[in-house]
Amino acid sequence: DAGITQSPRHKVTETGTPVTLRCHQTENHRYMYWYRQDPGHGLRLIHYSYGVKDTDKGEVSDGYSVSRSKTEDFLLTLESATSSQTSVYFCAISDGDSSNQPQHFGDGTRLSIL
Amino acid sequence: GDSVTQMEGPVTLSEEAFLTINCTYTATGYPSLFWYVQYPGEGLQLLLKATKADDKGSNKGFEATYRKETTSFHLEKGSVQVSDSAVYFCASIRKDTGRRALTFGSGTRLQVQP
Repeated sequence: DAGITQSPRHKVTETGTPVTLRCHQTENHRYMYWYRQDPGHGLRLIHYSYGVKDTDKGEVSDGYSVSRSKTEDFLLTLESATSSQTSVYFCAISDGDSSNQPQHFGDGTRLSIL
Repeated sequence: GDSVTQMEGPVTLSEEAFLTINCTYTATGYPSLFWYVQYPGEGLQLLLKATKADDKGSNKGFEATYRKETTSFHLEKGSVQVSDSAVYFCASIRKDTGRRALTFGSGTRLQVQP
């Protein structure tokens, strides 16, 4: 298995509070991604990173920010959590062009916003 | 925009039955195509991939052929086992724009009964 650790694995919090999810990799891969998984939608990209301090938005980026200060860590922050952000969040990594190099996924973080 | 459409689930089969899960895609150009599998409580694992028309991806008895004419990438297995019970995701990624994110279908849950 690719060395990807997501933390926490589960979190319950209240509307309006800040939340940070962490993705840590030991593979030294350049690219890192945050997806959210919701019933009927598959996985949708929130943000991705193509290097330290280099990030870009995905299709559902509103309400989320990211940071990557080290190759191995990619943080996802919900500045003020809302109930619509209740979801399962997955981190993924890849070593190159994802059209040939597959993305490898962590085990997910289940986040509930009450 | 790009999209991936999968058949609705759940698909319920008896052990040793033949499996087909349909997947069609829309994308400009010829994307790379993937099947991922998600077991309960886990992240997504790459099952197989195909990067160009007429390619056949295969792994663990599963196969899928990249059909440009019908824009399809149907997943098949000749004899399913109880251990194949999981959610299966079809995904695509374009090669021409440098876009890094996978586009996922909504997933198909497979239940195999002994």
